[in-house]
Amino acid sequence: GEEVAQTPKHLVRGEGQKAKLYCAPIKGHSYVFWYQQVLKNEFKFLISFQNENVFDETGMPKERFSAKCLPNSPCSLEIQATKLEDSAVYFCASSQSGYIQYFGAGTRLSVL
Amino acid sequence: AQSVTQLGSHVSVSEGALVLLRCNYSSSVPPYLFWYVQYPNQGLQLLLKYTSAATLVKGINDFEAEFKKSETSFHLTKPSAHMSDAAEYFCAVSESGGSNYKLTFGKGTLLTVNP
Repeated sequence: GEEVAQTPKHLVRGEGQKAKLYCAPIKGHSYVFWYQQVLKNEFKFLISFQNENVFDETGMPKERFSAKCLPNSPCSLEIQATKLEDSAVYFCASSQSGYIQYFGAGTRLSVL
Repeated sequence: AQSVTQLGSHVSVSEGALVLLRCNYSSSVPPYLFWYVQYPNQGLQLLLKYTSAATLVKGINDFEAEFKKSETSFHLTKPSAHMSDAAEYFCAVSESGGSNYKLTFGKGTLLTVNP
């Protein structure tokens, strides 16, 4: 497609439940990035992929967070055993070169 | 390590007035610099980018920014504000020429445009 598609738009989970977010990159883009936006304005880089390979995972929390990009499937970000502090908007971006990133509309995760 | 400082969390201008949003960066290698705009409940839209070509960069909707290495700045300007420019603006930096593409964002500047 011509835009980065993120689903769902809004996800509500009770503390301790699992959350799974999806991202379909722009067709032809080989890089996918995940960012977390907390407190409305603070962006934190989580992880990036080049095709199905992890490119940079320096921002990923060591526990509870995992991500995948498999061939012919949307990429996914999964949070096991969600905590209140995981409430945020999660943005996916894709890129052809790696440098110029195009963002999706985000998934708002609310942990109650 | 890289960082971005956006001076002024909130800028208010009148319609038709000049828009100036400030961004200073810190980077240990030559940077690539970006401005993104975020409208309420939407994702980030790329306004313009500096990737080591011309230092004066033109973007969409008449926005432009100038890369000034000596001042480590990349301020965003627009000659005449429209009501539709009201949004949150984020400056971001990444490292050029390297294997690391992740963006480091500033904390954003909320632009309000008064009629």
